[in-house]
Amino acid sequence: AQKITQTQPGMFVQEKEAVTLDCTYDTSDPSYGLFWYKQPSSGEMIFLIYQGSYDQQNATEGRYSLNFQKARKSANLVISASQLGDSAMYFCAMNTAGNMLTFGGGTRLMVKP
Amino acid sequence: DTGVSQDPRHKITKRGQNVTFRCDPISEHNRLYWYRQTLGQGPEFLTYFQNEAQLEKSRLLSDRFSAERPKGSFSTLEIQRTEQGDSAMYLCASSSQTGFTNEKLFFGSGTQLSVL
Repeated sequence: AQKITQTQPGMFVQEKEAVTLDCTYDTSDPSYGLFWYKQPSSGEMIFLIYQGSYDQQNATEGRYSLNFQKARKSANLVISASQLGDSAMYFCAMNTAGNMLTFGGGTRLMVKP
Repeated sequence: DTGVSQDPRHKITKRGQNVTFRCDPISEHNRLYWYRQTLGQGPEFLTYFQNEAQLEKSRLLSDRFSAERPKGSFSTLEIQRTEQGDSAMYLCASSSQTGFTNEKLFFGSGTQLSVL
């Protein structure tokens, strides 16, 4: 079975600082994809970044980067230069069989001005 | 590309009533997913369709729940004899990449159900 664990229920970060949101995963499948989604108070899940299990390099998308450590089964999200609009819930998710995403419990990020 | 649309945004109902939600995916997306999200939790998979075929259902989907996608476009999720435990956000998502682990889902804003 697949499992995603996010151990930080809530995080504070000062505006313009960088922040790391933790994610660990468990799967026996050699092929999998890891995703991060942002959910603002409006409710819509917004795709941020993707990392494939065979990708050699860490994924980056603008201010978002994914610190992928395969041996540790971790896929932490790094947000650089935090903005007030980054305040939201963040979810880590995994796809192993190509047919659904399994989500973690989420981390609430609060950016302080 | 107008995004995934869900209707209604909010639904309040009394215990025992039936409710139906609608999801319009991004046009030409062949996969459509339903998830349920309770307060403070991550979304949980309910079911998904590839075109009009319902390919998988979660154990969370009791026999009071039924989902359809009759023409492979929009989908409906019906809950019969609602219970207070059904109160949650129901999220719909669609995708065009079929069967790969890099399949990116596009989500709607959800339908918030409150059962009194």
